[in-house]
Amino acid sequence: DGGITQSPKYLFRKEGQNVTLSCEQNLNHDAMYWYRQDPGQGLRLIYYSQIVNDFQKGDIAEGYSVSREKKESFPLTVTSAQKNPTAFYLCATRVLGQGANEQFFGPGTRLTVL
Amino acid sequence: AQSVTQPDIHITVSEGASLELRCNYSYGATPYLFWYVQSPGQGLQLLLKYFSGDTLVQGIKGFEAEFKRSQSSFNLRKPTVHWSDAAEYFCAVGRGNDMRFGAGTRLTVKP
Repeated sequence: DGGITQSPKYLFRKEGQNVTLSCEQNLNHDAMYWYRQDPGQGLRLIYYSQIVNDFQKGDIAEGYSVSREKKESFPLTVTSAQKNPTAFYLCATRVLGQGANEQFFGPGTRLTVL
Repeated sequence: AQSVTQPDIHITVSEGASLELRCNYSYGATPYLFWYVQSPGQGLQLLLKYFSGDTLVQGIKGFEAEFKRSQSSFNLRKPTVHWSDAAEYFCAVGRGNDMRFGAGTRLTVKP
């Protein structure tokens, strides 16, 4: 079954803790993205990666970190430096190349800070 | 600067009525244009996309959108709305890794 898997679906964190959100894909897509979604604000880009062992900051990278050790995996760590981490986090993938290469989205992880 | 505006935060339509969701954009180059739909607590699903050619594009679930370059708009339409269309709709514009999303329009469908 091809697609994008995000886990866990719900995550609760105490203040001061780091947490890692998982994103795995078996679509063989080159690029992977992390977005944060807040009510009324649409999606904002946190980080993206086009190839293994390389990634770029998006618009709101502060307080987050990523790694891309495998093509299939792009985990996001929300660090204690992120002051307002409660949000819905979406992972996306994209085929690189010419044309209107749309992004495909995972089901999301809702993070709540207690 | 690149931006996307969806002027309507919330729209309510009756089942069986027609629908139009507005999207205006500002982008330096000719962008690729997309409409996505999101059900509560779920990811985004692509409804349709435009990058060149015929300015009226057809998508899934009976949706269509029209690109109007002179108005910098890419409005989404559906002739007959079904209760299952209730969701949030996002317009997106961009090229490559530079994708900008609107704030979304929440659609409520009245029986």
